[in-house]
Amino acid sequence: DADVTQTPRNRITKTGKRIMLECSQTKGHDRMYWYRQDPGLGLRLIYYSFDVKDINKGEISDGYSVSRQAQAKFSLSLESAIPNQTALYFCATSRDSINEQFFGPGTRLTVL
Amino acid sequence: AQRVTQPEKLLSVFKGAPVELKCNYSYSGSPELFWYVQYSRQRLQLLLRHISRESIKGFTADLNKGETSFHLKKPFAQEEDSAMYYCALLHGSGNTGKLIFGQGTTLQVKP
Repeated sequence: DADVTQTPRNRITKTGKRIMLECSQTKGHDRMYWYRQDPGLGLRLIYYSFDVKDINKGEISDGYSVSRQAQAKFSLSLESAIPNQTALYFCATSRDSINEQFFGPGTRLTVL
Repeated sequence: AQRVTQPEKLLSVFKGAPVELKCNYSYSGSPELFWYVQYSRQRLQLLLRHISRESIKGFTADLNKGETSFHLKKPFAQEEDSAMYYCALLHGSGNTGKLIFGQGTTLQVKP
């Protein structure tokens, strides 16, 4: 079954550490997205990519960077983690803008 | 500015009662709106989209451009409807759009 996977599923780290969250998909979609979910704030878009050569900032990209290594892989990095980056992070894919986004299971990140 | 507002963080109803999850939007163009749902221990998934004008799991949502609303309704709530619900607006034209999500509403259906 075509899927969206995220690794790791849980991560606890310390302030100042570099962290990479990975997303892989077997859906064959060109578009990939990174969101963070915070209670009371919903999902907010961090970065998105319409294809391997196209990467765009979302509404809350400060403190984050991404890499689209291939159509199937989209990684999110926190260069120097800080406590207010503690959140649940979701990767998603879609065939195009108007159609459904398919979400991964999420990565729970805690920055101490 | 484009915005999606879900005014209720938590909506608690009894089984069999009607449910209305509110969603208001702010958008200058012709809106494309969606409802996504996240059940406990499951992934966020699409529930319905307004362009399909469909009913999924007994839920419907009507776009009201005059009131800039896209409320999600179900006449008789079931316990399995308990979940987090997000309203989302497609922002951008053509094939360059991206979703703007509301803050989410937790629906709790009590037995």
